[in-house]
Amino acid sequence: GNSVTQMEGPVTLSEEAFLTINCTYTATGYPSLFWYVQYPGEGLQLLLKATKADDKGSNKGFEATYRKETTSFHLEKGSVQVSDSAVYFCALRDWNQGGKLIFGQGTELSVKP
Amino acid sequence: DAGITQSPRYKITETGRQVTLMCHQTWSHSYMFWYRQDLGHGLRLIYYSAAADITDKGEVPDGYVVSRSKTENFPLTLESATRSQTSVYFCASSGLAGFASYNEQFFGPGTRLTVL
Repeated sequence: GNSVTQMEGPVTLSEEAFLTINCTYTATGYPSLFWYVQYPGEGLQLLLKATKADDKGSNKGFEATYRKETTSFHLEKGSVQVSDSAVYFCALRDWNQGGKLIFGQGTELSVKP
Repeated sequence: DAGITQSPRYKITETGRQVTLMCHQTWSHSYMFWYRQDLGHGLRLIYYSAAADITDKGEVPDGYVVSRSKTENFPLTLESATRSQTSVYFCASSGLAGFASYNEQFFGPGTRLTVL
């Protein structure tokens, strides 16, 4: 079945450092891919998405490119801020079960001043 | 309130008790979902609904019951709570396939449930 694998955390960075969170997926066909962010005590918010190969999703300085050849959707940001501290989830949209989301296990990011 | 809301936000119960978690959305989205979030597992689908009176199982449905008599509400019931059901529960909704709102799931703030 379809699955998503994320790099394990926690990840601790200093402010203004470069961020990469790796995400790879296994799927039949070409599902839509997503990054969700969860701030402490809150629900999940969509950060960015890509619906087809070579699409680049971007939002709030974060970017991720849908790479069909490597089945990857790595999240990057050039300069992180303390306010970026959160848990980040990579997910794909499955065609089954109502179009459910299949999530990676989440990566906790902590940014220190 | 506009959006998707869940209640209660926190709940402590005892093993064997029945518990109902509420979910309400104001967008008239067709699809609604219940996920549970556990450390090391990300989120996993419990049940989903494609429309009022249409529900189906997800990956981890055992011990849960859902209903959907109205489009906007999707309650989740634990018929006899067990410690393994201690988790954070998220409700989500999305629109119909073919509409822009299909391609994003909107999440509620979550309910943190502890079963003693």
